[in-house]
Amino acid sequence: GAVVSQHPSWVICKSGTSVKIECRSLDFQATTMFWYRQFPKQSLMLMATSNEGSKATYEQGVEKDKFLINHASLTLSTLTVTSAHPEDSSFYICSARGDLSYEQYFGPGTRLTVT
Amino acid sequence: AQTVTQSQPEMSVQEAETVTLSCTYDTSENNYYLFWYKQPPSRQMILVIRQEAYKQQNATENRFSVNFQKAAKSFSLKISDSQLGDTAMYFCAFMKPGNFNKFYFGSGTKLNVKP
Repeated sequence: GAVVSQHPSWVICKSGTSVKIECRSLDFQATTMFWYRQFPKQSLMLMATSNEGSKATYEQGVEKDKFLINHASLTLSTLTVTSAHPEDSSFYICSARGDLSYEQYFGPGTRLTVT
Repeated sequence: AQTVTQSQPEMSVQEAETVTLSCTYDTSENNYYLFWYKQPPSRQMILVIRQEAYKQQNATENRFSVNFQKAAKSFSLKISDSQLGDTAMYFCAFMKPGNFNKFYFGSGTKLNVKP
């Protein structure tokens, strides 16, 4: 099956700094990528959807200036958490979809801890 | 808006026995897809089974099968011959075909398989 990777798998940063998370589709071209946030023992919450070469579409209540999403190529999307605060600590998951199918493939997730 | 409801926050089953996880959804769409995802402690999302709404036949994948009742908007997952490795969070998800193919996830059911 299709493989999606995320880097880093775990990151600790200080309050006020920015951190970038990468999501890569390793063996297919991802025309659409999705970013989710998951708090402990809760479901996945969709943050935004990005199409390659276009601006991301953010879900209601998600601050686009805080969570910067770039989908510059068909294999890479990045999520940058700007001016991170402890309440941004969470598990961030990406998924990717190719052009020919509705199937989405999930990355392994990134644990962000803001101290 | 689409909503997905999983009314069982946590369930337990003895190894080798059968367990059924419930899921209901609300939509005005006629054409859509339904999924069950497994999230083990590693937190990697794993597709268990999917069902296209236009198909009347219930999907099966080895020990996993669904009971899809379109009129009742119900989509339960049956796990037969439960194994210790089935211990995980299980999420029911709805997807409406379209440009973005967004997932709408339920709140999840924590399944514990006991030896």
